[in-house]
Amino acid sequence: DAKTTQPNSMESNEEEPVHLPCNHSTISGTDYIHWYRQLPSQGPEYVIHGLTSNVNNRMASLAIAEDRKSSTLILHRATLRDAAVYYCILGASETSGSRLTFGEGTQLTVNP
Amino acid sequence: NAGVTQTPKFQVLKTGQSMTLQCAQDMNHNSMYWYRQDPGMGLRLIYYSASEGTTDKGEVPNGYNVSRLNKREFSLRLESAAPSQTSVYFCASKTGVYSNQPQHFGDGTRLSIL
Repeated sequence: DAKTTQPNSMESNEEEPVHLPCNHSTISGTDYIHWYRQLPSQGPEYVIHGLTSNVNNRMASLAIAEDRKSSTLILHRATLRDAAVYYCILGASETSGSRLTFGEGTQLTVNP
Repeated sequence: NAGVTQTPKFQVLKTGQSMTLQCAQDMNHNSMYWYRQDPGMGLRLIYYSASEGTTDKGEVPNGYNVSRLNKREFSLRLESAAPSQTSVYFCASKTGVYSNQPQHFGDGTRLSIL
């Protein structure tokens, strides 16, 4: 499975935008880019996913580089509730059940 | 909205004891997954079931068995628990095997083995 690289930690201030980067230089043409987050003592929560085009939903935006070797999760206005570990994951092939391979993610701290 | 329900939420076992972790989903999903998460680390896949009647090994299957009881339920069994299996266990489900579909996770079972 292709690997992703994320910073270990990032900090933001409440109500400011947050840009969480992810590098995935070995991505294949059919790999979807998924983002999940995990709040303390909870299971991971789906945030957003995309293939080639930028994507928006009620939680966040996903900006994908033209060569697809990197992506950025954008939280438009961080709240204290957004403090979590954010995982950037490449969706595995359907022949392996489309399982997710989690790295260590980025710990986002949001300051009041 | 129950989603993915895991039982129990907490459990303490002694080395050598056996235990089954239960997982049920009410979203009519075809695929189900079991992960473990050790402190400070990401989740690792133990087993998955792409559809009812099938199961496959993941990244760390040793010491575990699974049963896809029906479409709703996917259980994880530890036959002879070891301290190295102390972890938080998460069950997840998704509509099918297509890679563009999100997984939905339960809140986890926190398992300690003494």
